[in-house]
Amino acid sequence: AQSVAQPEDQVNVAEGNPLTVKCTYSVSGNPYLFWYVQYPNRGLQFLLKYITGDNLVKGSYGFEAEFNKSQTSFHLKKPSALVSDSALYFCAVRDGPGNLFFGTGTRLTVIP
Amino acid sequence: NAGVTQTPKFQVLKTGQSMTLQCAQDMNHNSMYWYRQDPGMGLRLIYYSASEGTTDKGEVPNGYNVSRLNKREFSLRLESAAPSQTSVYFCASSPGIKGLFFGPGTRLTVL
Repeated sequence: AQSVAQPEDQVNVAEGNPLTVKCTYSVSGNPYLFWYVQYPNRGLQFLLKYITGDNLVKGSYGFEAEFNKSQTSFHLKKPSALVSDSALYFCAVRDGPGNLFFGTGTRLTVIP
Repeated sequence: NAGVTQTPKFQVLKTGQSMTLQCAQDMNHNSMYWYRQDPGMGLRLIYYSASEGTTDKGEVPNGYNVSRLNKREFSLRLESAAPSQTSVYFCASSPGIKGLFFGPGTRLTVL
């Protein structure tokens, strides 16, 4: 079965600094990987996905993610964090017919 | 275009009561899903429907039933609610490998 792991429950970063939210995956076959963001009392919103092609994937709100096959990682990054980026971030991998298996989430806090 | 809608937004039940959570999507997606979200556990799949007329169990189906009423609607039913079913429930739909589109969620408390 496919799975992802988010090793950090909480990430704090100063506004204006680069941010990284980590995700590692375990799959059989080619991975389809996703990042979602959840703001308080809201549903999950799609940020970006990796299906195939370039290892650096660009997504919404200035976020990007780097697919690294040798390290089985798909870390989410942003060059300059905003206070409004503070939210819960989920990594996910396709598992079965259209379903996604989600990580446990990482809470990002951007400090003004 | 409302996307994925869910009703109700909030619900409080007593142990043993039943209720149905409603979900509808207007994006003409074939696949629909029900997840529950609990602190520290991410989202766990309860049931999904790959297409109209089909439903399959996910990771945590016990205590739930679903109905894919038509292509737009996918309901989740708790026949006899238990405190362990206190959670936030999300419905989602998908056009395929492009990922999932989520509704705003239903916050359920079972006393």
